[in-house]
Amino acid sequence: GQQLNQSPQSMFIQEGEDVSMNCTSSSIFNTWLWYKQDPGEGPVLLIALYKAGELTSNGRLTAQFGITRKDSFLNISASIPSDVGIYFCAGLLGGYQKVTFGTGTKLQVIP
Amino acid sequence: DTAVSQTPKYLVTQMGNDKSIKCEQNLGHDTMYWYKQDSKKFLKIMFSYNNKELIINETVPNRFSPKSPDKAHLNLHINSLELGDSAVYFCASSQEHAGVLLNEQFFGPGTRLTVL
Repeated sequence: GQQLNQSPQSMFIQEGEDVSMNCTSSSIFNTWLWYKQDPGEGPVLLIALYKAGELTSNGRLTAQFGITRKDSFLNISASIPSDVGIYFCAGLLGGYQKVTFGTGTKLQVIP
Repeated sequence: DTAVSQTPKYLVTQMGNDKSIKCEQNLGHDTMYWYKQDSKKFLKIMFSYNNKELIINETVPNRFSPKSPDKAHLNLHINSLELGDSAVYFCASSQEHAGVLLNEQFFGPGTRLTVL
């Protein structure tokens, strides 16, 4: 089946630094989603991308839908302690197809 | 108001027992899901129901049986629990139209199942 690989698997950064993470797939998707999961909670949607090449921002977060439709990137600028959590990418093909989640990137921010 | 709620939040039980997890959404969505998150935090879909009809049934042992009494509820019953069933189970809901996902999936807070 489809697999979404995220990198890095985990990262420690200093508060104020920018963060980049990416997600690659062995097959194409029509929609890319980025979620954040806080400890003990369910994932919450951060950004949704619907077109190849699309670049979308949500506050300090910026995500891009790769032109090949097989990858996506998430950037967080000027990180703060509450950015700590696990970030998941997810791909959706459409037509009652399931949402496939990535392996996750665990982010730790050092104050 | 809680959008997607699950009960219980924690469930500790012995191997071989049968248990149920309940999920309710008050968002008016027509599609509900069950996901399993393992110890490595990998999220994998188990089931999806649209208007009480089973849409997605991933390769899940038939010890797992979802039941949707109405659009707002999707319960998960697990028979003969095994050690490997220990995980966090998330319920989610979304709105779809003609198979197209119209909005994000809203997740519940999760149920941590521990099988001893």
